[in-house]
Amino acid sequence: DGGITQSPKYLFRKEGQNVTLSCEQNLNHDAMYWYRQDPGQGLRLIYYSQIVNDFQKGDIAEGYSVSREKKESFPLTVTSAQKNPTAFYLCASSIMAGGRHEQYFGPGTRLTVT
Amino acid sequence: AQSVTQPDIHITVSEGASLELRCNYSYGATPYLFWYVQSPGQGLQLLLKYFSGDTLVQGIKGFEAEFKRSQSSFNLRKPSVHWSDAAEYFCAVGAAGGGNKLTFGTGTQLKVEL
Repeated sequence: DGGITQSPKYLFRKEGQNVTLSCEQNLNHDAMYWYRQDPGQGLRLIYYSQIVNDFQKGDIAEGYSVSREKKESFPLTVTSAQKNPTAFYLCASSIMAGGRHEQYFGPGTRLTVT
Repeated sequence: AQSVTQPDIHITVSEGASLELRCNYSYGATPYLFWYVQSPGQGLQLLLKYFSGDTLVQGIKGFEAEFKRSQSSFNLRKPSVHWSDAAEYFCAVGAAGGGNKLTFGTGTQLKVEL
């Protein structure tokens, strides 16, 4: 069954700790994306990657880092530099060829930092 | 840069009534447009998409949307709403050559009264 998995579904951390959110896809998609969702603000792009070993900052990259060592995986690290890390994080993927494709989303990870 | 406006934060309709959710976009060239739906605590599911051609597009779950270039709009409609349609709906716009990045609206929360 093809899709995107994100783990864990809920994550709790203490302030000052780095935390890594997992995103895996078996759709053979080239591009992967990380979004942050806060109530009333829609989805905001954190980072995206169009190819292995390459990624670009989105609109709100400060305090976050990513890696893309494998096509299937795009983990997101929320660092202690992120001032307001508590949010719902969504990972997505898409085909790249042709340049106009829908994105498919994972189920999300809710991060709570206290 | 492209942008999306969803002017209605909340909408309440009675079950069986018709529905129209508004979406206005800003983009210099021909955009490609999407509607996604999100149930609480879940990821986003694609309802429908417009790339080119027929301006009335059909999607899943009985939804349709009409692209109106003159009004920069892409409104979502359903003739008869079911209680299971209660969710949050997001409109998104993509730009050709933009790395397949999407810009999302802030969402419309739909409540269905029985």
